[in-house]
Amino acid sequence: DAMVIQNPRYQVTQFGKPVTLSCSQTLNHNVMYWYQQKSSQAPKLLFHYYDKDFNNEADTPDNFQSRRPNTSFCFLDIRSPGLGDAAMYLCATSRDRVSTDTQYFGPGTRLTVL
Amino acid sequence: GDSVTQMEGPVTLSEEAFLTINCTYTATGYPSLFWYVQYPGEGLQLLLKATKADDKGSNKGFEATYRKETTSFHLEKGSVQVSDSAVYFCALSVQGGSEKLVFGKGTKLTVNP
Repeated sequence: DAMVIQNPRYQVTQFGKPVTLSCSQTLNHNVMYWYQQKSSQAPKLLFHYYDKDFNNEADTPDNFQSRRPNTSFCFLDIRSPGLGDAAMYLCATSRDRVSTDTQYFGPGTRLTVL
Repeated sequence: GDSVTQMEGPVTLSEEAFLTINCTYTATGYPSLFWYVQYPGEGLQLLLKATKADDKGSNKGFEATYRKETTSFHLEKGSVQVSDSAVYFCALSVQGGSEKLVFGKGTKLTVNP
Protein backbone atom coordinates (compact mmCIF):
# COMPACT_ATOMS: atom_id res chain seq x y z
CA ASP A 1 0.00 0.00 0.00
CA ALA A 2 1.16 3.51 -0.77
CA MET A 3 1.94 5.29 2.42
CA VAL A 4 3.93 7.74 4.51
CA ILE A 5 6.56 6.17 6.76
CA GLN A 6 8.34 7.80 9.64
CA ASN A 7 11.40 6.50 11.43
CA PRO A 8 11.97 6.07 14.22
CA ARG A 9 8.59 6.02 15.96
CA TYR A 10 10.22 7.01 19.23
CA GLN A 11 13.41 9.05 19.59
CA VAL A 12 15.19 10.01 22.77
CA THR A 13 17.93 12.63 22.67
CA GLN A 14 19.84 14.72 25.13
CA PHE A 15 19.52 18.43 25.62
CA GLY A 16 21.59 20.13 22.92
CA LYS A 17 22.43 16.95 21.00
CA PRO A 18 21.48 17.17 17.30
CA VAL A 19 18.81 14.79 16.12
CA THR A 20 17.40 13.86 12.71
CA LEU A 21 13.95 12.48 12.02
CA SER A 22 13.15 10.70 8.80
CA CYS A 23 10.11 10.57 6.53
CA SER A 24 9.60 8.64 3.33
CA GLN A 25 6.63 8.29 1.00
CA THR A 26 5.58 5.90 -1.71
CA LEU A 27 2.78 8.16 -2.99
CA ASN A 28 5.05 10.09 -5.35
CA HIS A 29 3.54 13.32 -4.05
CA ASN A 30 5.05 16.69 -4.84
CA VAL A 31 4.58 18.26 -1.42
CA MET A 32 6.00 17.12 1.92
CA TYR A 33 5.20 18.82 5.22
CA TRP A 34 6.60 18.72 8.74
CA TYR A 35 4.35 19.47 11.71
CA GLN A 36 5.06 19.72 15.42
CA GLN A 37 2.29 18.56 17.73
CA LYS A 38 2.56 19.09 21.46
CA SER A 39 0.37 17.28 23.94
CA SER A 40 -3.35 17.99 23.55
CA GLN A 41 -2.73 20.60 20.85
CA ALA A 42 -3.37 20.86 17.15
CA PRO A 43 -0.49 20.19 14.75
CA LYS A 44 1.61 23.25 13.96
CA LEU A 45 3.19 23.52 10.52
CA LEU A 46 6.95 24.04 10.64
CA PHE A 47 7.74 24.04 6.89
CA HIS A 48 7.05 22.26 3.65
CA TYR A 49 8.73 21.36 0.40
CA TYR A 50 6.98 21.81 -2.91
CA ASP A 51 9.20 19.61 -5.04
CA LYS A 52 12.65 21.07 -4.23
CA ASP A 53 11.31 24.45 -3.18
CA PHE A 54 11.61 24.92 0.61
CA ASN A 55 8.93 27.01 2.35
CA ASN A 56 9.52 27.97 5.95
CA GLU A 57 6.78 29.21 8.28
CA ALA A 58 7.53 32.64 9.68
CA ASP A 59 7.50 31.52 13.30
CA THR A 60 9.57 28.35 12.91
CA PRO A 61 12.73 28.64 15.03
CA ASP A 62 16.10 28.53 13.27
CA ASN A 63 16.88 25.46 15.35
CA PHE A 64 14.70 23.46 12.95
CA GLN A 65 16.01 22.63 9.49
CA SER A 66 14.89 20.29 6.75
CA ARG A 67 16.32 18.47 3.76
CA ARG A 68 14.65 16.76 0.84
CA PRO A 69 17.27 14.90 -1.16
CA ASN A 70 14.74 13.33 -3.53
CA THR A 71 10.99 13.00 -4.07
CA SER A 72 10.62 10.14 -1.63
CA PHE A 73 12.55 11.32 1.41
CA CYS A 74 12.44 14.30 3.71
CA PHE A 75 14.38 14.88 6.92
CA LEU A 76 13.82 17.10 9.92
CA ASP A 77 17.00 18.22 11.69
CA ILE A 78 16.89 19.75 15.15
CA ARG A 79 20.28 21.32 15.67
CA SER A 80 20.20 21.84 19.44
CA PRO A 81 17.10 20.33 20.99
CA GLY A 82 15.71 22.01 24.06
CA LEU A 83 13.24 20.64 26.56
CA GLY A 84 10.51 22.61 24.82
CA ASP A 85 11.09 20.68 21.60
CA ALA A 86 9.75 17.47 23.09
CA ALA A 87 6.71 16.69 20.96
CA MET A 88 5.22 14.45 18.30
CA TYR A 89 6.60 15.29 14.86
CA LEU A 90 4.30 14.50 11.98
CA CYS A 91 5.23 14.23 8.34
CA ALA A 92 2.53 14.64 5.70
CA THR A 93 2.34 14.66 1.92
CA SER A 94 -0.05 15.96 -0.71
CA ARG A 95 -0.12 15.48 -4.44
CA ASP A 96 -0.04 19.18 -5.12
CA ARG A 97 -0.32 22.47 -3.27
CA VAL A 98 -3.99 23.14 -3.87
CA SER A 99 -6.60 23.66 -1.21
CA THR A 100 -8.72 20.68 -2.25
CA ASP A 101 -5.88 18.18 -1.92
CA THR A 102 -5.87 15.78 1.00
CA GLN A 103 -2.80 15.65 3.18
CA TYR A 104 -1.68 12.12 4.09
CA PHE A 105 0.02 11.82 7.45
CA GLY A 106 2.59 9.40 8.73
CA PRO A 107 2.31 7.81 12.18
CA GLY A 108 4.62 10.38 13.75
CA THR A 109 7.86 10.32 15.71
CA ARG A 110 7.61 11.06 19.41
CA LEU A 111 10.70 12.97 20.51
CA THR A 112 11.81 12.99 24.13
CA VAL A 113 14.54 15.41 25.25
CA LEU A 114 16.38 14.53 28.44
CA GLY B 1 -6.95 35.62 8.90
CA ASP B 2 -8.22 32.10 8.41
CA SER B 3 -9.32 30.23 11.52
CA VAL B 4 -11.34 27.26 12.74
CA THR B 5 -13.32 27.12 15.96
CA GLN B 6 -14.47 23.73 17.10
CA MET B 7 -16.34 22.49 20.09
CA GLU B 8 -13.98 21.88 22.93
CA GLY B 9 -14.11 18.60 24.72
CA PRO B 10 -13.70 16.26 26.12
CA VAL B 11 -16.90 14.60 24.96
CA THR B 12 -17.97 11.38 26.64
CA LEU B 13 -20.78 9.27 25.19
CA SER B 14 -22.22 5.84 25.64
CA GLU B 15 -22.06 3.36 22.80
CA GLU B 16 -24.83 3.88 20.19
CA ALA B 17 -25.36 7.52 21.21
CA PHE B 18 -25.64 10.31 18.63
CA LEU B 19 -22.57 12.44 18.09
CA THR B 20 -22.29 16.07 17.03
CA ILE B 21 -19.03 18.02 17.08
CA ASN B 22 -19.51 21.62 16.06
CA CYS B 23 -17.07 23.39 13.77
CA THR B 24 -17.26 26.92 12.39
CA TYR B 25 -14.74 28.76 10.30
CA THR B 26 -13.54 32.14 9.14
CA ALA B 27 -11.84 32.31 5.78
CA THR B 28 -10.48 35.07 3.58
CA GLY B 29 -11.25 33.10 0.44
CA TYR B 30 -13.19 30.02 -0.57
CA PRO B 31 -12.08 27.16 1.70
CA SER B 32 -12.03 23.42 1.43
CA LEU B 33 -13.06 21.80 4.70
CA PHE B 34 -11.76 18.65 6.34
CA TRP B 35 -12.26 16.43 9.34
CA TYR B 36 -9.21 14.48 10.48
CA VAL B 37 -9.16 11.83 13.22
CA GLN B 38 -6.22 10.93 15.43
CA TYR B 39 -6.26 7.67 17.36
CA PRO B 40 -4.05 7.42 20.45
CA GLY B 41 -0.35 7.42 19.61
CA GLU B 42 -0.93 7.71 15.86
CA GLY B 43 -0.83 10.29 13.10
CA LEU B 44 -3.84 12.01 11.59
CA GLN B 45 -6.13 10.27 9.13
CA LEU B 46 -8.53 12.02 6.81
CA LEU B 47 -12.07 11.18 7.89
CA LEU B 48 -13.99 13.20 5.29
CA LYS B 49 -13.84 16.41 3.32
CA ALA B 50 -15.96 18.83 1.29
CA THR B 51 -14.65 21.28 -1.26
CA LYS B 52 -17.69 23.39 -2.13
CA ALA B 53 -20.83 24.73 -0.54
CA ASP B 54 -23.62 22.20 0.17
CA ASP B 55 -21.28 19.25 -0.41
CA LYS B 56 -21.69 16.46 2.11
CA GLY B 57 -18.64 14.45 3.08
CA SER B 58 -19.20 11.00 4.52
CA ASN B 59 -17.13 8.05 5.69
CA LYS B 60 -17.49 5.21 8.23
CA GLY B 61 -20.94 6.49 9.26
CA PHE B 62 -19.68 10.03 9.87
CA GLU B 63 -21.13 12.95 7.91
CA ALA B 64 -20.55 16.68 7.63
CA THR B 65 -22.16 19.24 5.32
CA TYR B 66 -20.40 22.37 4.07
CA ARG B 67 -22.74 25.23 5.03
CA LYS B 68 -21.54 28.48 3.53
CA GLU B 69 -24.42 30.53 4.94
CA THR B 70 -23.55 29.58 8.52
CA THR B 71 -19.80 29.02 7.87
CA SER B 72 -20.07 25.63 9.51
CA PHE B 73 -18.97 22.03 8.96
CA HIS B 74 -20.40 20.08 11.89
CA LEU B 75 -19.46 16.42 12.27
CA GLU B 76 -22.24 13.92 13.03
CA LYS B 77 -22.62 10.21 13.53
CA GLY B 78 -25.86 8.47 14.33
CA SER B 79 -24.51 5.69 16.53
CA VAL B 80 -20.99 5.81 17.94
CA GLN B 81 -18.88 2.80 18.82
CA VAL B 82 -16.09 2.33 21.36
CA SER B 83 -13.66 2.20 18.44
CA ASP B 84 -14.58 5.82 17.55
CA SER B 85 -12.77 7.05 20.64
CA ALA B 86 -10.16 9.47 19.31
CA VAL B 87 -9.38 13.15 18.84
CA TYR B 88 -11.19 14.85 15.96
CA PHE B 89 -9.76 17.90 14.19
CA CYS B 90 -11.68 20.23 11.92
CA ALA B 91 -9.48 22.00 9.38
CA LEU B 92 -9.63 24.26 6.35
CA SER B 93 -7.44 25.16 3.43
CA VAL B 94 -7.88 28.26 1.27
CA GLN B 95 -6.84 28.44 -2.36
CA GLY B 96 -4.81 31.52 -3.13
CA GLY B 97 -3.74 31.84 0.46
CA SER B 98 -0.94 29.65 1.70
CA GLU B 99 -2.93 26.50 0.87
CA LYS B 100 -1.85 25.16 4.21
CA LEU B 101 -4.17 23.37 6.61
CA VAL B 102 -5.51 25.50 9.44
CA PHE B 103 -6.64 23.26 12.30
CA GLY B 104 -9.09 23.69 15.11
CA LYS B 105 -7.91 22.76 18.58
CA GLY B 106 -9.33 19.27 18.44
CA THR B 107 -12.12 17.50 20.32
CA LYS B 108 -11.39 14.38 22.31
CA LEU B 109 -14.18 11.82 22.13
CA THR B 110 -14.46 8.91 24.54
CA VAL B 111 -17.12 6.28 23.93
CA ASN B 112 -17.93 3.97 26.82
CA PRO B 113 -19.43 0.48 26.36
